[in-house]
Amino acid sequence: GESVGLHLPTLSVQEGDNSIINCAYSNSASDYFIWYKQESGKGPQFIIDIRSNMDKRQGQRVTVLLNKTVKHLSLQIAATQPGDSAVYFCAENSQTSYDKVIFGPGTSLSVIP
Amino acid sequence: DTGVSQNPRHKITKRGQNVTFRCDPISEHNRLYWYRQTLGQGPEFLTYFQNEAQLEKSRLLSDRFSAERPKGSFSTLEIQRTEQGDSAMYLCASSIHRGGYTFGSGTRLTVV
Repeated sequence: GESVGLHLPTLSVQEGDNSIINCAYSNSASDYFIWYKQESGKGPQFIIDIRSNMDKRQGQRVTVLLNKTVKHLSLQIAATQPGDSAVYFCAENSQTSYDKVIFGPGTSLSVIP
Repeated sequence: DTGVSQNPRHKITKRGQNVTFRCDPISEHNRLYWYRQTLGQGPEFLTYFQNEAQLEKSRLLSDRFSAERPKGSFSTLEIQRTEQGDSAMYLCASSIHRGGYTFGSGTRLTVV
């Protein structure tokens, strides 16, 4: 069945360092991937997305890498700041479930000042 | 006001009572979604509307759950005969294109 999961449930990084959050997916039909950030008491917030015809996409301080061969997705955050502390979810979408985004369980990122 | 609005933010109810939540999406968004999130887990899809039509329902949405979007604008999610297992954060999201969800802050339901 479909599933999106994360390798590490928690991650602690020093302020200013780079963070890497990993995600594995199993649905080979997935062709669109999204990273969300969720702060305590708030709904998930869109960070960046990538389509399966790309292997890298960059935003402001964030980069998403997609390796379709091993069904792996990662989110890199450059110069991590205290405001980056949150739970990060990868999510996937496929043409077969076009309007339904499936979320993984999340990684909690803690930034140490 | 921009953003997705959900009311109430918190709801505590006794087991067996009915509850209703409201979601006001971003006005130009024709797609509206309900998700449920329990502690430490990612959001789970419940149902989806395109305009006023409910196009998909998860098997998680038992017959005690019903959702409406009568005029293609706001939506309501009702849970009848609440059970303790219904305790969760209920999230609403809207979008105008695939995957580009904007989430509300959710309604936290506690069934006692």
